[in-house]
Amino acid sequence: QVQLVQSGAEVKQPGASVKVSCKASDYTFSTYGVSWVRQAPGQGLEWMGWISPKSGQTKSAQKFQGRVTMTSDTSRTTVYMELRSLTSDDTAVYYCARDYCDSARCFGGDFWGQGTLVTVSS
Amino acid sequence: QSVLTQPPSVSAAPGQKVTISCSGSSSNIGNNYVSWYQQLPGTAPKLLIYENNKRPSWIPDRFSGSKSGTSATLGITGLQTGDEADYYCGTWDSSLSAEVFGGGTKVTVL
Repeated sequence: QVQLVQSGAEVKQPGASVKVSCKASDYTFSTYGVSWVRQAPGQGLEWMGWISPKSGQTKSAQKFQGRVTMTSDTSRTTVYMELRSLTSDDTAVYYCARDYCDSARCFGGDFWGQGTLVTVSS
Repeated sequence: QSVLTQPPSVSAAPGQKVTISCSGSSSNIGNNYVSWYQQLPGTAPKLLIYENNKRPSWIPDRFSGSKSGTSATLGITGLQTGDEADYYCGTWDSSLSAEVFGGGTKVTVL
């Protein structure tokens, strides 16, 4: 069964950066991309961006452009999402999800990680 | 404010049917596939429906999806207490070049 296992909870101060990892297993890592989706407390889902582990190509929501970096390590079948200049508004659970995208669009996550709580507080 | 519009809540008795609507526009639902996700309390979202009306093999046929124009609908028949969860629609928005979601609908089994 496809699995995505994320790194543990983080507490960060305002202005800091956070890097969340997502290790994939039981499927051909290079065949699918990975999207990052976050959920603030009591709120809905918000797509942040997507990375292709095969090519390194990324797509990101305009809101996060310039503040988010997504990378992948194919030898570790792991993708990473780094978010910089954190504020209290970035307090949320961050999910990775296996997602297929072509040149025009993404099709939605079919398998999701368990989530990583990032708390931004002074 | 979410790009896709869903009702905040729906409810029905056990064994009954509920439908959840998801309204969008030509830049999203009108020209892209719709997915539906179930999020049980304290857990990650789980894919229920993809490409408007297809179910992963492990999803029971009590769950169904449809799309017409710029709207989509999720149906749940034979409602069970275990179906109490938040349900989200999602799709690609070609104008925003981003995946977008509805605000979520809470299903309550009376």
